Amino acid sequence: GEDVEQSLFLSVREGDSSVINCTYTDSSSTYLYWYKQEPGAGLQLLTYIFSNMDMKQDQRLTVLLNKKDKHLSLRIADTQTGDSAIYFCAESINGGSQGNLIFGKGTKLSVKP
Amino acid sequence: GAGVSQSPSNKVTEKGKDVELRCDPISGHTALYWYRQSLGQGLEFLIYFQGNSAPDKSGLPSDRFSAERTGGSVSTLTIQRTQQEDSAVYLCASSLERTLPFYEQYFGPGTRLTVT
Repeated sequence: GEDVEQSLFLSVREGDSSVINCTYTDSSSTYLYWYKQEPGAGLQLLTYIFSNMDMKQDQRLTVLLNKKDKHLSLRIADTQTGDSAIYFCAESINGGSQGNLIFGKGTKLSVKP
Repeated sequence: GAGVSQSPSNKVTEKGKDVELRCDPISGHTALYWYRQSLGQGLEFLIYFQGNSAPDKSGLPSDRFSAERTGGSVSTLTIQRTQQEDSAVYLCASSLERTLPFYEQYFGPGTRLTVT
């Protein structure tokens, strides 16, 4: 079945770059997503990438997609304490026609001053 | 409304009781989803409603779980005879049927359910 894997914890120092990695299994996924969950808050879409793209950059965020290896990464440049949160990787199965997203367990990013 | 709202925000119930969780999606969104976030389990898809189509119930963990969506808007997730393993944060999300060029789900703040 579909599965999304990501490491559970990442700790970085303020100002450094953070790289959060994710692997997925459904090769038919149309879109892959990164969601952010801050303490006590709901999930918020951070960025997404279409499966025919290799890279997408959005200000401090860079998403890299290796479709051959089914590997997705999120790089946060100049990480700030406000970036501390749980980051979820997600894939949409069946090209989104069924609607549900398959999420990883989330990577908790801790940013030390 | 401004976003997806859920009620109650917190619910404590005794094992064996039934509970109802409510979700108000963003006005105009035809798709509505329920997810469950448990410690150590991440986010788990439960059920999906799309317009007037039959819901996709493939994620419901047991027949104690059910959901309905009245009038294509508000949804209620019902858990009968609650068990301690049902303790989790239940998240609702909504989206337009298909938002081009990508498919975004907007999440509510969740209902934290604790079964004692």
